[in-house]
Amino acid sequence: GESVGLHLPTLSVQEGDNSIINCAYSNSASDYFIWYKQESGKGPQFIIDIRSNMDKRQGQRVTVLLNKTVKHLSLQIAATQPGDSAVYFCAEKNSGGGADGLTFGKGTHLIIQP
Amino acid sequence: GAGVSQSPSNKVTEKGKDVELRCDPISGHTALYWYRQSLGQGLEFLIYFQGNSAPDKSGLPSDRFSAERTGGSVSTLTIQRTQQEDSAVYLCASSLVRAAQQFFGPGTRLTVL
Repeated sequence: GESVGLHLPTLSVQEGDNSIINCAYSNSASDYFIWYKQESGKGPQFIIDIRSNMDKRQGQRVTVLLNKTVKHLSLQIAATQPGDSAVYFCAEKNSGGGADGLTFGKGTHLIIQP
Repeated sequence: GAGVSQSPSNKVTEKGKDVELRCDPISGHTALYWYRQSLGQGLEFLIYFQGNSAPDKSGLPSDRFSAERTGGSVSTLTIQRTQQEDSAVYLCASSLVRAAQQFFGPGTRLTVL
């Protein structure tokens, strides 16, 4: 079946460095993509989203890149801080049809080392 | 309210018992979603409510799972005859309208002994 997945389960970076978390998706009909951050014991928290008519979107310290040609999504976090340590999920949705819920990947655990 | 709330935060039950999990969405949000997150896994979509429309139940894993949303606000997820594989964190999310940003609650951690 079609699914969203992540390349690496764990990513460790030094505090202050930039980090890149990758995600591959296989549903070519998906037109809306979201990155969520989940800290231990909490629900996922929205970080940033992007629609398929864009290839880049920037937020505060975060940038999402979408490459529809290879069905790849990435989240870049600049100048990582200890509070960035969490599990990051990408999610995708076909706004025009299919199930109404988001399809999530398994997540990447980002560890910020001091 | 300020955000999505869920209760209880933790629930331990015995195999075969029924459980009810509650979700209070953000006031004014017409869309409500239930997801399940097993240990170390991503989120699995269960069910979706939009206004007064019939819910999308396509993600429910078995007929032991059901959910209702009364008055377009509070939702209850019911699991009948619980099994050990039902142990997971059950997350609720709401959004202003369908296909909009979803806001998640803190989840209910269900443990079936």
